[in-house]
Amino acid sequence: LAKTTQPISMDSYEGQEVNITCSHNNIATNDYITWYQQFPSQGPRFIIQGYKTKVTNEVASLFIPADRKSSTLSLPRVSLSDTAVYYCLVGYTSNTGKLIFGQGTTLQVKP
Amino acid sequence: SAVISQKPSRDICQRGTSLTIQCQVDSQVTMMFWYRQQPGQSLTLIATANQGSEATYESGFVIDKFPISRPNLTFSTLTVSNMSPEDSSIYLCSGGDRSGNEQFFGPGTRLTVL
Repeated sequence: LAKTTQPISMDSYEGQEVNITCSHNNIATNDYITWYQQFPSQGPRFIIQGYKTKVTNEVASLFIPADRKSSTLSLPRVSLSDTAVYYCLVGYTSNTGKLIFGQGTTLQVKP
Repeated sequence: SAVISQKPSRDICQRGTSLTIQCQVDSQVTMMFWYRQQPGQSLTLIATANQGSEATYESGFVIDKFPISRPNLTFSTLTVSNMSPEDSSIYLCSGGDRSGNEQFFGPGTRLTVL
């Protein structure tokens, strides 16, 4: 499975756009890029998934350049409730569904 | 989507005893997984639980220590056996399909071993 590297922590203020970048240099051709969010005392929650270019849903956008060696999760106009740990996951072991979590990025949103 | 519940939500146990954690899904899922998460750390996959077959364990985890049952497509249990303080952690279960796409997680079980 592709190894991911993301910043350990980030700070932001309410109303700002937050971009979290994940590096995955050895991503394989059939790997998808998935982001999860985890609040304290809760299990992780799926945010968004993409393969290339741009994906947008009601929560976030995911930008993937042509070489797919990195990806950026964009959270528009964050609020205090967006304070959480964000995990970037790349790939999966074929036909097993396993998810391997990296260290994650702790986002702290300040008032 | 699927909603996953776990019981107990937390427990304090004595060294040498065992605890069984239950994971219930409100709909059928192909795959169920068990994770361990130390406070402030990322999740570590313990094993994959498949219906009708033995669980598949990740490196560093063995069946004698973490026996798993998966009697049907909506339920699984994880037992933490012969516990020591090093087993103190949060244990989470999740459900999904073989594609590796969206998985749904339970709220976790916080275990403290004295």
